[in-house]
Amino acid sequence: DTEVTQTPKHLVMGMTNKKSLKCEQHMGHRAMYWYKQKAKKPPELMFVYSYEKLSINESVPSRFSPECPNSSLLNLHLHALQPEDSALYLCASSQGGQGRNGQPQHFGDGTRLSIL
Amino acid sequence: AQTVTQSQPEMSVQEAETVTLSCTYDTSESDYYLFWYKQPPSRQMILVIRQEAYKQQNATENRFSVNFQKAAKSFSLKISDSQLGDAAMYFCAYRSAYFPSNYQLIWGAGTKLIIKP
Repeated sequence: DTEVTQTPKHLVMGMTNKKSLKCEQHMGHRAMYWYKQKAKKPPELMFVYSYEKLSINESVPSRFSPECPNSSLLNLHLHALQPEDSALYLCASSQGGQGRNGQPQHFGDGTRLSIL
Repeated sequence: AQTVTQSQPEMSVQEAETVTLSCTYDTSESDYYLFWYKQPPSRQMILVIRQEAYKQQNATENRFSVNFQKAAKSFSLKISDSQLGDAAMYFCAYRSAYFPSNYQLIWGAGTKLIIKP
């Protein structure tokens, strides 16, 4: 059983639609991540939230809008996406903080997104 | 900048045999962590094993073990008694111990492991 839960598992949307991806964790982690993964490639980091504040934005287009309502939830709002945005979107969490910390990131099952 | 290289795009092994996946990395840092993640077709990214750079002892998790050579910047994964369920993409990843870089994983390109029955 995964400790990071992502919904929905699959999403098909048109280029003019607005939808949201949801991620939830109950491990007490204070860092949460969004990744985009194309087939047979490693994940690409999109956003990092640390203690509910956006810490890293890897120059992601504004059609992707992250939100962290609380320490357990992470959303990714989608609007006016392009066909090249079709991919697997992975959420992850880990212990946060500035100290030396070797704990790994834990990943969810991902949302398979298809843009028509 | 750090880089991670997995030179084997695909490997195959007979069930019950042993296979080694290679990973090399480049860094000027002395404090970091290395990970092997497994991603089966079911797509969840699963942590296989973790190594701390300051620890000389190679990490082991059941049938999975690593050969960590810090001076050579090498971090290979050995899978013993291969099972059909081990079939997956395996990614090697590097993470700095220093804030804020410690939020970012540097990934290798991945190795697809095929298990032959």
